[in-house]
Amino acid sequence: AQSVAQPEDQVNVAEGNPLTVKCTYSVSGNPYLFWYVQYPNRGLQFLLKYITGDNLVKGSYGFEAEFNKSQTSFHLKKPSALVSDSALYFCAVITEGNFNKFYFGSGTKLNVKP
Amino acid sequence: EAQVTQNPRYLITVTGKKLTVTCSQNMNHEYMSWYRQDPGLGLRQIYYSMNVEVTDKGDVPEGYKVSRKEKRNFPLILESPSPNQTSLYFCASSLKVYREQYFGPGTRLTVT
Repeated sequence: AQSVAQPEDQVNVAEGNPLTVKCTYSVSGNPYLFWYVQYPNRGLQFLLKYITGDNLVKGSYGFEAEFNKSQTSFHLKKPSALVSDSALYFCAVITEGNFNKFYFGSGTKLNVKP
Repeated sequence: EAQVTQNPRYLITVTGKKLTVTCSQNMNHEYMSWYRQDPGLGLRQIYYSMNVEVTDKGDVPEGYKVSRKEKRNFPLILESPSPNQTSLYFCASSLKVYREQYFGPGTRLTVT
């Protein structure tokens, strides 16, 4: 069965410090990986995706993520956190073998303190 | 403005009373999907549609129905709602399944 794990319910970081939000996946076949962000009382917004090619993917708002096939991970990173980055972050995956169904992680709440 | 709209945004209903949540997109997207969001469980896919008249079950389809008669609309139907369907529901669309999804604002449903 396909699955996505976000092992941390919450991540706390000080403004200006680097942040990492972790995501690991378990799929059969090649994964297509996505990160989405949800601000309070809003729908989800796309941040970035990995389909193929360079393992380091750059996305919106200065975020980036690194695809690591051997560790089956796709961690979200940002060099310098902003208070406005505080939100709920979701990792999601589809696979070539099961191309139509999306699997989302349980979400990680990022708190950036001034 | 490119967007996904959902109606209603909030709904309180009683067990067994049929309801429909509408979803519409104005971006000519092929792929549309319904999700439910529950605390600690993230988003779970209910149904998806690859194109007009092509729909299939996601991970949690029990108790739900969908239809895709037109490209822009993808309504979610609860024939006989039960309290365990109390949740926050999101509709989403994308040009293709592997492209970024655009999400609606959500519908908060309470079934008593």
